Order: sequence, then structure tokens, then C-alpha cells
Amino acid sequence: RKEVEQDPGPFNVPEGATVAFNCTYSNSASQSFFWYRQDCRKEPKLLMSVYSSGNEDGRFTAQLNRASQYISLLIRDSKLSDSATYLCVVAQGTGGFKTIFGAGTRLFVKA
Amino acid sequence: DAGVIQSPRHEVTEMGQEVTLRCKPISGHDYLFWYRQTMMRGLELLIYFNNNVPIDDSGMPEDRFSAKMPNASFSTLKIQPSEPRDSAVYFCASSLASQYDTQYFGPGTRLTVL
Repeated sequence: RKEVEQDPGPFNVPEGATVAFNCTYSNSASQSFFWYRQDCRKEPKLLMSVYSSGNEDGRFTAQLNRASQYISLLIRDSKLSDSATYLCVVAQGTGGFKTIFGAGTRLFVKA
Repeated sequence: DAGVIQSPRHEVTEMGQEVTLRCKPISGHDYLFWYRQTMMRGLELLIYFNNNVPIDDSGMPEDRFSAKMPNASFSTLKIQPSEPRDSAVYFCASSLASQYDTQYFGPGTRLTVL
């Protein structure tokens, strides 16, 4: 089992749609969680950190479920510019620090 | 403020040659990370530094890979000798005060080993 797993997609959605991504992680001792966005042939950029209480940033909502070991990202009112790959990231410190990136979920938003 | 700077942006070399990738982290950031990204394996952490000291290099694939950070504003990743399977995009990232903080990535170096 991979340490961080994501549905690779692609998700093809029309503008204005709501889309949700899930990510599961295997190490229950994981400490920090993030969603990064990566455009084609570009570097990953932080989209948002994920907190236990859940957090929202405009059209984006992230949630963490430690009991079930999954993280979610909800995008409302999708824009063409949201088309990208979304990377789930888990940082853990047991047995040495590791930042583990999921393989990413590709999103295509179409007019 | 300038972000993380990497050079070169593209490198094409022949098998057996030495390759040196360079990174300048964001000023004031205490942590520096080197990653490799391929289609097959995704993003992999190779090594990270704290205050110029290598903390964990368990992700470095082989002895052909080495990394240094001689000062707070400069790091290198060296591959000697290079092999075709080293072809990938190599990213450098830095974070402010903890390895758990947000990491800011450079634009990457696209390496092709022929």
C-alpha cells in the first residue's frame, strides 16, 4: 500500500461545478497535511494547509479526518484556471522526517 | 522578494558526465529540501538540510548522488557519473522554521541524460 494515495483522475468537469478530491495516508502518526497545486511543467505551489478543524479559503475547503486517515479538498464554482494537478502532501516525523507527496489528481475544467 | 532560485533550468548531458544542480533558498529560511519528480515515481524527497547541516539523506538513491550546503544561501546537488535513469525534474524547496512548515519550491531543473 502506498503511504499517500490519491485518485489520479482525470476529473473532467464543466465550469461552475463542484468537485471533491480525497487522499488517504497510511501512517497514523503523520503530523502535517497540505494540498499543493502543480500546473503543467511548473513547480508545486501551496494551495492550503489542512487543519483538524477543517479550513476554507474562498472556493476551496479542506478537511482532515484523523480517525479514518484521509484528507479531502472541495472546490466550488470551478473556474477554467483551476485546471491543474492537485497534490496531497503528508509530513511525518516518526522514524525520521519525511514529506510524502501523493501522485496527484488531475483536474480539467471545461467551458 | 525573490523566491527559490534554481540553475540551470534545463540540462542535457551524456551518460557518465558529472552534473551539478544549484539552488538558492529564500533568504531567512532555515530548511532546504531537494526533490526529484518523474512520471513513474512522482515527487520524492532526496535530502534536506537544517541550518546548512544535512539532516536526512535517506532518499538519495545511490552514492552517485551527493548534496552540499556550504552556506545559508546556496546548495548543490551533484550526480557523478550520471545515468539515463537520472533523467527527471529536480526541485529545490525551502521552508522558514520547521520541516513541517509550508515548503516553497523553485522552478526546477529539467535534467536529460542521454
